[in-house]
Amino acid sequence: NAGVTQTPKFRVLKTGQSMTLLCAQDMNHEYMYWYRQDPGMGLRLIHYSVGEGTTAKGEVPDGYNVSRLKKQNFLLGLESAAPSQTSVYFCTTLGNRGYLETQYFGPGTRLLVL
Amino acid sequence: GEDVEQSLFLSVREGDSSVINCTYTDSSSTYLYWYKQEPGAGLQLLTYIFSNMDMKQDQRLTVLLNKKDKHLSLRIADTQTGDSAIYFCAEIQAAGNKLTFGGGTRVLVKP
Repeated sequence: NAGVTQTPKFRVLKTGQSMTLLCAQDMNHEYMYWYRQDPGMGLRLIHYSVGEGTTAKGEVPDGYNVSRLKKQNFLLGLESAAPSQTSVYFCTTLGNRGYLETQYFGPGTRLLVL
Repeated sequence: GEDVEQSLFLSVREGDSSVINCTYTDSSSTYLYWYKQEPGAGLQLLTYIFSNMDMKQDQRLTVLLNKKDKHLSLRIADTQTGDSAIYFCAEIQAAGNKLTFGGGTRVLVKP
């Protein structure tokens, strides 16, 4: 039981390049979330999904796209990376009862956009 | 809208108690949480409190909730150097399953 894993752990991109961050979970959780963390700003929700095949916008969705084709995977895409997207990205999942004692955080992906 | 605020920094001596404060604006919050983040790591859920409770104690941690003032606090008794970290409060509403986080309070424990 790996919990929540994120790939890659670290990446450097040039402005305009694209990439996809993968979040995978083996807990059969319905809800999955992508957050970005920036100094002094806490975690801000980018996009989230309440089940396979569904996605919704969070607080800061611009410049990102997501897909949830399979229940266990939640992908975050950057089509044309910008320096403002330099951040640490966290994927989280929420258990089906909606109680956050069942929430799990991935280890994070550090992204640097030059 | 939703807004959760925390002070940026707290310095405390080892062995003293730490109190980290948080204010929120949304009165429909159902659960409120405290997370701990150590350098280079993800967030670790420390404790949570349901909105119909005033207080919750869990070993060295005491959570106080003043729902009227929308104020949440986390008290750490006998603070240790291992408690140095960033602490985030967060809330979730009954209407959805999205967490709103505060900006985090960096706690530095001095020996």
